[in-house]
Amino acid sequence: SQQGEEDPQALSIQEGENATMNCSYKTSINNLQWYRQNSGRGLVHLILIRSNEREKHSGRLRVTLDTSKKSSSLLITASRAADTASYFCATDAYGIQGAQKLVFGQGTRLTINP
Amino acid sequence: KAGVTQTPRYLIKTRGQQVTLSCSPISGHRSVSWYQQTPGQGLQFLFEYFSETQRNKGNFPGRFSGRQFSNSRSEMNVSTLELGDSALYLCASRYRTGGFETQYFGPGTRLLVL
Repeated sequence: SQQGEEDPQALSIQEGENATMNCSYKTSINNLQWYRQNSGRGLVHLILIRSNEREKHSGRLRVTLDTSKKSSSLLITASRAADTASYFCATDAYGIQGAQKLVFGQGTRLTINP
Repeated sequence: KAGVTQTPRYLIKTRGQQVTLSCSPISGHRSVSWYQQTPGQGLQFLFEYFSETQRNKGNFPGRFSGRQFSNSRSEMNVSTLELGDSALYLCASRYRTGGFETQYFGPGTRLLVL
């Protein structure tokens, strides 16, 4: 089962507007990452936020993390048509010998209308 | 550096056949993970290899197997294919396992089982 749940499942906005996506997770984490996927292709890493961080910026991206609520949000400012994609949050989970696996949410499908 | 490469990019098989997918990680990366993505189940972790050893395994049947070579290249094999195995198979690499490290994904292999 998926660790994370993302909200909304789909979002459609006008170019230039801001887009906010939310992610909730169930267990304690070491870090949370956001990825972008264009049309069923590979995942592109956007940003990683550690469990002891509350906010992080990268260009037009702003990520917040609230470990008390087990939630994170991704804000894309001044959206562009090229931002049209699916966005996934992923939390880490550790198996034997520290081996890591990412547990993904179901994703938010973002559409930017020109 | 070249990114993660996966071959083949597209594959069509019939039920009962077997398939082998290949992944070449980023140069210097020693950890390779595999994920399956389907519309119904989303992104699910298959397994991770580090230094030719399987370090972590997801909840998939034994028909799914993998291996890693001394040059860190990895293959995954699916035997006795079922219709439900149709999916995008993604490979990701990291320098080492564990810690606050980003996984870098390849473009994926899209498998269609008829």
